[in-house]
Amino acid sequence: KAGVTQTPRYLIKTRGQQVTLSCSPISGHRSVSWYQQTPGQGLQFLFEYFSETQRNKGNFPGRFSGRQFSNSRSEMNVSTLELGDSALYLCASSLEGASTMGYTFGSGTRLTVV
Amino acid sequence: ILNVEQSPQSLHVQEGDSTNFTCSFPSSNFYALHWYRWETAKSPEALFVMTLNGDEKKKGRISATLNTKEGYSYLYIKGSQPEDSATYLCASRNSGGYQKVTFGTGTKLQVIP
Repeated sequence: KAGVTQTPRYLIKTRGQQVTLSCSPISGHRSVSWYQQTPGQGLQFLFEYFSETQRNKGNFPGRFSGRQFSNSRSEMNVSTLELGDSALYLCASSLEGASTMGYTFGSGTRLTVV
Repeated sequence: ILNVEQSPQSLHVQEGDSTNFTCSFPSSNFYALHWYRWETAKSPEALFVMTLNGDEKKKGRISATLNTKEGYSYLYIKGSQPEDSATYLCASRNSGGYQKVTFGTGTKLQVIP
């Protein structure tokens, strides 16, 4: 079956702009989580969506938002981009919040803010 | 332990050597412990999910143990091969009303041929 698809793979944006990242989970998976990875940091939890509802949220400013559609696809939006938002953004798909099977990750979106 | 911590941060081993590394996590409100392998230019791949104290899991030359009472897990690689070179991440999931999966910063393993 198809894996987790993230688009775009690479993105360059200017400070102050906004960006939308997309994630299509594995068919049948209802949970989508988003993580940010910056050099020297572990994967930092952004939020988790389950059946179109945000179930958990990490400690990120309100500029970071997301949503999930009825087909389980999820989007993440970052407004008023800052240089520090440059990172790899990973989407993780699971049946029920990674309880027993773990996550299946996408290839990520590499965002560079200049 | 308040966060998920992994040690060592990195290590180099010779091909054929066995190695192990540690993941420490909060033992209170524990629900599950995940191990992932993350090879360069690829996505993290799930190795094990463990939930019970004393759990041991094995996949080929890689195995893991879990101690939920003291909050640690070991990952062992027997007879390391160059293809084992990767960053190994552990992640802890807590129970309770606000469940989330918290990752450690990983152990970067390089196996020298």
